[in-house]
Amino acid sequence: EVQLLESGGGLVQPGGSLRLSCAASGFTFDSYAMTWVRQAPGKGLECVSNIGVGGSTYYADSVKGRFSISRDNSQNTLYLQMNSLRAEDTAVYFCAKTSAGSWSFDYWGQGTLVTVSS
Amino acid sequence: EIVMTQSPATLSVSPGERATLSCRASQSVGSNLAWYQQKPGQAPRLLIYGASTRATGIPARFSGRGSGTEFTLTISSLQSEDFAVYYCQQSNNWPFTFGPGAKVDIK
Repeated sequence: EVQLLESGGGLVQPGGSLRLSCAASGFTFDSYAMTWVRQAPGKGLECVSNIGVGGSTYYADSVKGRFSISRDNSQNTLYLQMNSLRAEDTAVYFCAKTSAGSWSFDYWGQGTLVTVSS
Repeated sequence: EIVMTQSPATLSVSPGERATLSCRASQSVGSNLAWYQQKPGQAPRLLIYGASTRATGIPARFSGRGSGTEFTLTISSLQSEDFAVYYCQQSNNWPFTFGPGAKVDIK
């Protein structure tokens, strides 16, 4: 059974940093791209960052230069390092397994809430 | 960035009735279109990928069609568990973008 478990969310002041983790199990982690998707309270879904099998990375313009995605295939874990956080980064952050070929998100974690506030 | 739009924003349907949701892309995305269902407090669930292929475990009452810029999701006979918000998402170009969502509620 595929499982994705996010952690690391919490309350942080504007300008602060946070690192999210996503522990994966139930599939061959190093064979799939992974994506972070966020959802601000009461709002829609936004793709934040994606990392490919070979380590290629993509970022939304809204987080470019501030966020960094990485993966540790030996630990089956995905990370999102978030720096210079802003109030508009407040959201539930989901990690999602990215299906090969279709690039759809076939499995999602339960999400972790990041709140940026003073 | 490809902009996705959805209509209607809200659809009120009685159980057992048919529901059809539309999704439009600002430029062609080929068949690189997925549909997701989200219920309050839950993560989204993949329903359809490749515009028309049902994901694992998705009931046959869900169907998708379209290509290019125009897509539809049809739920042939709404069940109580289908009342939720539905999102379309393109994966043709990064950033992969979602539509604003369409809420299906009980009439």
